[in-house]
Amino acid sequence: DVKVTQSSRYLVKRTGEKVFLECVQDMDHENMFWYRQDPGLGLRLIYFSYDVKMKEKGDIPEGYSVSREKKERFSLILESASTNQTSMYLCASTSDRAYGYTFGSGTRLTVV
Amino acid sequence: AQSVTQPDIHITVSEGASLELRCNYSYGATPYLFWYVQSPGQGLQLLLKYFSGDTLVQGIKGFEAEFKRSQSSFNLRKPSVHWSDAAEYFCAAKGGAQKLVFGQGTRLTINP
Repeated sequence: DVKVTQSSRYLVKRTGEKVFLECVQDMDHENMFWYRQDPGLGLRLIYFSYDVKMKEKGDIPEGYSVSREKKERFSLILESASTNQTSMYLCASTSDRAYGYTFGSGTRLTVV
Repeated sequence: AQSVTQPDIHITVSEGASLELRCNYSYGATPYLFWYVQSPGQGLQLLLKYFSGDTLVQGIKGFEAEFKRSQSSFNLRKPSVHWSDAAEYFCAAKGGAQKLVFGQGTRLTINP
């Protein structure tokens, strides 16, 4: 089975810190995604990537950036964390030949 | 704009009762459609998907969904729920690009 691994399940960071959320997939998928999940809002797309060094903004990119230097790794960066970025962050991947996504277990980030 | 709507934020059913979770989509053409389930503290697991063909789709854990083009709906059903079905359920759709658009989610509570 495809595995998508998010490096941290829980993180607590201070306001203004630079935060890195890491995601690694092991099935050579071309496409990777970062979502944030908030109660009553479902999952909202932050950024996605179709290929190494390629990135595109999703629906809520403000306050975030991403990096994809290797095909298997897609990092989400909070340049200066704020309390309104407290959320659950989910990474997902899929290949061009498939239709469904595989999700990681999520990182619950709290910014204090 | 492409969108997915789950009208019910929270549903409570008794164990052994039947279940139907509603999902409506708004796309220019029929998208690929998915249902995911998320247990507390976990990532998302794919229950079933619809691409084309038979409008009644069978999934894992005894779930099924029916695609109705005339109603732009893709409702999830289960004849008899179990306490382990308590979770949050997300409907999602994918158009021409690889992006998945999610509904707001429906939280399912099971009464013993």
